[in-house]
Amino acid sequence: KAGVTQTPRYLIKTRGQQVTLSCSPISGHRSVSWYQQTPGQGLQFLFEYFSETQRNKGNFPGRFSGRQFSNSRSEMNVSTLELGDSALYLCASSPSDRVNQPQHFGDGTRLSIL
Amino acid sequence: ILNVEQSPQSLHVQEGDSTNFTCSFPSSNFYALHWYRWETAKSPEALFVMTLNGDEKKKGRISATLNTKEGYSYLYIKGSQPEDSATYLCASNNNNDMRFGAGTRLTVKP
Repeated sequence: KAGVTQTPRYLIKTRGQQVTLSCSPISGHRSVSWYQQTPGQGLQFLFEYFSETQRNKGNFPGRFSGRQFSNSRSEMNVSTLELGDSALYLCASSPSDRVNQPQHFGDGTRLSIL
Repeated sequence: ILNVEQSPQSLHVQEGDSTNFTCSFPSSNFYALHWYRWETAKSPEALFVMTLNGDEKKKGRISATLNTKEGYSYLYIKGSQPEDSATYLCASNNNNDMRFGAGTRLTVKP
């Protein structure tokens, strides 16, 4: 069974640009969550999608948005990039929206803003 | 909203030592407590998910306990091995809001 796939693995952008990151969950998983990790910080929750609906959102500005498609694949978009957006972005999937199920993480997309 | 705190921040032990670390989390509106192991250059790997006060889970030499009333969980590693070297993350789900601690970085010296 293929794991969670995130593309691209690495990305370099400049301030003011926008970026779209992609996440393909494990087959059959319907919940996808996104996290940001910056140096010295724990994983910061961005948002969670289940059945194409955003169920929960972390404390991030509106420049961060996402969506989920009918095949459960998810995209995250960041507009008007800032230097502080440089981070590792992780996506995680689980079979359903039940909170007692472990999340399965992808390898992440490392985004660098110049 | 209170944060999830992990201690210690880092830990160095000798091969064969047993060790433990702590995760403190908000006890209000508690749904579940997750533990993950994150090795360098890999993605976080789920260890345990616990929901009930008094829960104890075990996987090989690693075990965890949960106290939801006082808001803490312990992770124990018995007879540490070099391959246990990793960052151990806990995450608390409170009212459907998932928050991770900053992790405990464990280094096991051969």
